[in-house]
Amino acid sequence: DAGITQSPRYKITETGRQVTLMCHQTWSHSYMFWYRQDLGHGLRLIYYSAAADITDKGEVPDGYVVSRSKTENFPLTLESATRSQTSVYFCASSQDRGNYGYTFGSGTRLTVV
Amino acid sequence: AQKVTQAQTEISVVEKEDVTLDCVYETRDTTYYLFWYKQPPSGELVFLIRRNSFDEQNEISGRYSWNFQKSTSSFNFTITASQVVDSAVYFCALSAYSPGTASKLTFGTGTRLQVTL
Repeated sequence: DAGITQSPRYKITETGRQVTLMCHQTWSHSYMFWYRQDLGHGLRLIYYSAAADITDKGEVPDGYVVSRSKTENFPLTLESATRSQTSVYFCASSQDRGNYGYTFGSGTRLTVV
Repeated sequence: AQKVTQAQTEISVVEKEDVTLDCVYETRDTTYYLFWYKQPPSGELVFLIRRNSFDEQNEISGRYSWNFQKSTSSFNFTITASQVVDSAVYFCALSAYSPGTASKLTFGTGTRLQVTL
């Protein structure tokens, strides 16, 4: 199916474990983004990527790692999960730099216990 | 630095009432874009509208209308004759044009709209 898909939709993990959230888009959009949504904060940018092998930090990058070896995939890894990383994570893509807005995935609800 | 303020945390209205969601933004850039997104209870983010900083015309789309005023740095969203299906969290967002790099969206904290019968 065309679009942007995130997996898993729900994830529970333990403190200290590594977890990877997947994001896949079928449009060959150059730009991809990861946001986290927390009550009282709206959505905050974690990392973004302008193309394969080009990534950069957003507002709240600490504790996260990203990679982009292929245009269509942009996985987000929590190297050692903490409870403060309990959140809803949204991946997004854009065909231009983002000036025309993003298309968001359905989100991954991550709980760290 | 960019900032978006949605001072209304929650709004409750009865169906068929009109409701306005406020959005105030801050940016030093002269070229920027403003957005509204809707997040229904199912959780996905739905794009509603985009406005660039050079276009202050108000826009109407069915029951939805948007009022952009640069003089007050506001981009307010009005729903006319609200319906239960309008119940959602609404986010206002801002991105500044940055040549050569991604335009990163800065979101407000959202306004939860509850429409009851």
